[in-house]
Amino acid sequence: KAGVTQTPRYLIKTRGQQVTLSCSPISGHRSVSWYQQTPGQGLQFLFEYFSETQRNKGNFPGRFSGRQFSNSRSEMNVSTLELGDSALYLCASSPDWRIPGQANTGELFFGEGSRLTVL
Amino acid sequence: KNQVEQSPQSLIILEGKNCTLQCNYTVSPFSNLRWYKQDTGRGPVSLTIMTFSENTKSNGRYTATLDADTKQSSLHITASQLSDSASYICVVSGVTGGGNKLTFGTGTQLKVEL
Repeated sequence: KAGVTQTPRYLIKTRGQQVTLSCSPISGHRSVSWYQQTPGQGLQFLFEYFSETQRNKGNFPGRFSGRQFSNSRSEMNVSTLELGDSALYLCASSPDWRIPGQANTGELFFGEGSRLTVL
Repeated sequence: KNQVEQSPQSLIILEGKNCTLQCNYTVSPFSNLRWYKQDTGRGPVSLTIMTFSENTKSNGRYTATLDADTKQSSLHITASQLSDSASYICVVSGVTGGGNKLTFGTGTQLKVEL
């Protein structure tokens, strides 16, 4: 069974540009979440999608956006890149259906990440 | 404010030795606690997931404990191997009106040397 696939693995952009990252979840998984990882801040939650709907959102500016397609594949976009956006962007998939008010106890399966460098 | 604090920040041990990593959290209401291992340049891989009612769980040479009363968890690694060199991240899941919310620790960087 194929794991979570993220593309591209590495990319370099300059300030002011925009970038789109892609994530293909494990087959059958309907939940996809995105995280930013930097040496100083660790892993920080960006957003989560289930059945093409954003279910949760972290504390990031509106320059960070995402979407999920009917086949559960997801993309995230960062516009007007800043130097501080340089990070490893991780995607995780999960099979669980989230019931509002109840926590997900299902496992998260992470991809290898997309390493973004902003010059 | 929900927080997860891990200690030590980094650790160096000799191959074959045991070690224990700590995680303290203030997430409430609590749902579950997870430990992940992240090799350099790779995505995190789940080691254990413990709910409120579980106080210990093992995965090979990794044993996690949870004390929900004191809001502390530990990850014990037995007979360490060079391949255990990685970052170990504690993640606590809390319940919110909108569903699940994960709070991440900043990790313990473990290096196993010969």
